[in-house]
Amino acid sequence: QQQVKQSPQSLIVQKGGIPIINCAYENTAFDYFPWYQQFPGKGPALLIAIRPDVSEKKEGRFTISFNKSAKQFSLHIMDSQPGDSATYFCAASRNTGNQFYFGTGTSLTVIP
Amino acid sequence: ETGVTQTPRHLVMGMTNKKSLKCEQHLGHNAMYWYKQSAKKPLELMFVYSLEERVENNSVPSRFSPECPNSSHLFLHLHTLQPEDSALYLCASSQEGGRTEAFFGQGTRLTVV
Repeated sequence: QQQVKQSPQSLIVQKGGIPIINCAYENTAFDYFPWYQQFPGKGPALLIAIRPDVSEKKEGRFTISFNKSAKQFSLHIMDSQPGDSATYFCAASRNTGNQFYFGTGTSLTVIP
Repeated sequence: ETGVTQTPRHLVMGMTNKKSLKCEQHLGHNAMYWYKQSAKKPLELMFVYSLEERVENNSVPSRFSPECPNSSHLFLHLHTLQPEDSALYLCASSQEGGRTEAFFGQGTRLTVV
């Protein structure tokens, strides 16, 4: 059973648009929710992360919105640029143990 | 450069070959991971080593054999693989325990012919 469900699978936006990627989880023991960005030929790299004690976190043009009651979280990219074209993965983990559960990834293309 | 180095970057092997993937981290972390990345699938956790002991083994076939000789090095030994094992194999490291960032290597693109 997939622990973290991610949508959409792919997304195409114009430069300056605001792509939104959504993730949902079931396990209420999760308490750390990172987003990873992966460019072709590279491994995933941490983009931004949130803990469930806040509903929103912003770092530069990237914002995570977190809805604890709905067990959902999303990534918003403001003023998207062609250089943001990459695959984005959401993930979740617990305070104990070493396992990260990843979503299936969203391939984002930002058209100039 | 993320501080996690994987070699080789690309590997083509026959089904009867034996090969090894290597991972080295320079971040002082004490947990290391092997993930398998296939197209349109979530990253699949294969093995976790924490403090040099294997703590996770997610039903991985025995043709994959991990080795962690110390906290900085991780190997994945491969033998008699199948074509469906072709994928990107990613190594990652973190500090032991949750709520910490995992740093990934660039991966080894494995093709089994």
